[in-house]
Amino acid sequence: SQQGEEDPQALSIQEGENATMNCSYKTSINNLQWYRQNSGRGLVHLILIRSNEREKHSGRLRVTLDTSKKSSSLLITASRAADTASYFCATDGGSSASKIIFGSGTRLSIRP
Amino acid sequence: EPEVTQTPSHQVTQMGQEVILRCVPISNHLYFYWYRQILGQKVEFLVSFYNNEISEKSEIFDDQFSVERPDGSNFTLKIRSTKLEDSAMYFCASNTYNNEQFFGPGTRLTVL
Repeated sequence: SQQGEEDPQALSIQEGENATMNCSYKTSINNLQWYRQNSGRGLVHLILIRSNEREKHSGRLRVTLDTSKKSSSLLITASRAADTASYFCATDGGSSASKIIFGSGTRLSIRP
Repeated sequence: EPEVTQTPSHQVTQMGQEVILRCVPISNHLYFYWYRQILGQKVEFLVSFYNNEISEKSEIFDDQFSVERPDGSNFTLKIRSTKLEDSAMYFCASNTYNNEQFFGPGTRLTVL
């Protein structure tokens, strides 16, 4: 399975601190994506990193990918209360019509 | 900013009844998907659709499920005879040639 599995399952930090979430997967991938889901809501695409990329930034987000370890990390800097959500890594086969396989997610809580 | 929309936001039905969940993907997107998320569980792939036919389907997507793109803008998921275990959030997604899938807000299906 290409499934990503996030670590930790839950994370609680103080507002302003950085949050790091990790993801491991089992098989070779073409793309790895991170999504956010607010409680009971839809999935918001955050960032896509390709297998030939090692790091990608988007605003306060930084994603790394280590294909040799089959792992990725998502760093959120200077966290805000609005960052409270579940974060999922997801892998896909790389083609345009490729299904996405989601991990179980990390529940991030930002304490004011 | 264009977005995927889904209707209804919440559907309550009796076991054995047929339901149709509707989605309007982003207008220039070519690839369409349905996923579901049972409460507290992972987001699971159901089916992908391209060029008016199913590209891939999961084991969940049995004969009780069907998809259709009747008019070039709507993308529907039909469940012919709902079961209690079909209760879940159903997400529609779409993408262009890259695989950044944009998700709708979901339809919460409750089967009584």
